[in-house]
Amino acid sequence: AQTVTQSQPEMSVQEAETVTLSCTYDTSENNYYLFWYKQPPSRQMILVIRQEAYKQQNATENRFSVNFQKAAKSFSLKISDSQLGDTAMYFCAFSHSGNTPLVFGKGTRLSVIA
Amino acid sequence: EAGVAQSPRYKIIEKRQSVAFWCNPISGHATLYWYQQILGQGPKLLIQFQNNGVVDDSQLPKDRFSAERLKGVDSTLKIQPAKLEDSAVYLCASSLLPAEPGERGYTFGSGTRLTVV
Repeated sequence: AQTVTQSQPEMSVQEAETVTLSCTYDTSENNYYLFWYKQPPSRQMILVIRQEAYKQQNATENRFSVNFQKAAKSFSLKISDSQLGDTAMYFCAFSHSGNTPLVFGKGTRLSVIA
Repeated sequence: EAGVAQSPRYKIIEKRQSVAFWCNPISGHATLYWYQQILGQGPKLLIQFQNNGVVDDSQLPKDRFSAERLKGVDSTLKIQPAKLEDSAVYLCASSLLPAEPGERGYTFGSGTRLTVV
């Protein structure tokens, strides 16, 4: 069974600074998808970024980028120029395909401080 | 595009009572998921539907939980009788099937927060 581990329960960062959230996973599959989701107090899970395992190039979405190390089974999220609105829970997630159930980590609570 | 709708937003019940949650997915999304998110943890899949058929309910506690998706659209999740450990947020999500490589996949609702006292 796939597992996703987020080893940082809480993190904080100063506004405008850069922060990196860590995620490792375990799978025997060769093709799969990895995701970072943001969950603000409204509870809705919002997709931040997605990475297909067959792509060597790291995904980027504006201020958000990932460092995908397939051999090490590592998938970290870098947030540049942190904003107060980035304050939320962040979950790393795995799926076999883009349309199969997600397996989530326990999350990292990120606080952006003014 | 309308999102995934869930109701109620909050529910407080006493243990041993029953409760039901409702989900209306995005129009045209064939796949629907129910997740349970206990405080301090990531969401865990309870059940996956494709149209009105069950794809995966291996983690659904079938002695007390039931779910249905009539006509392949709306879905309800029921708990009867509720236990204290059922206190959690229940999230519904939907997705197109099959997903294209560029498809952003799931869309989640805002969930129902259940408190069992």
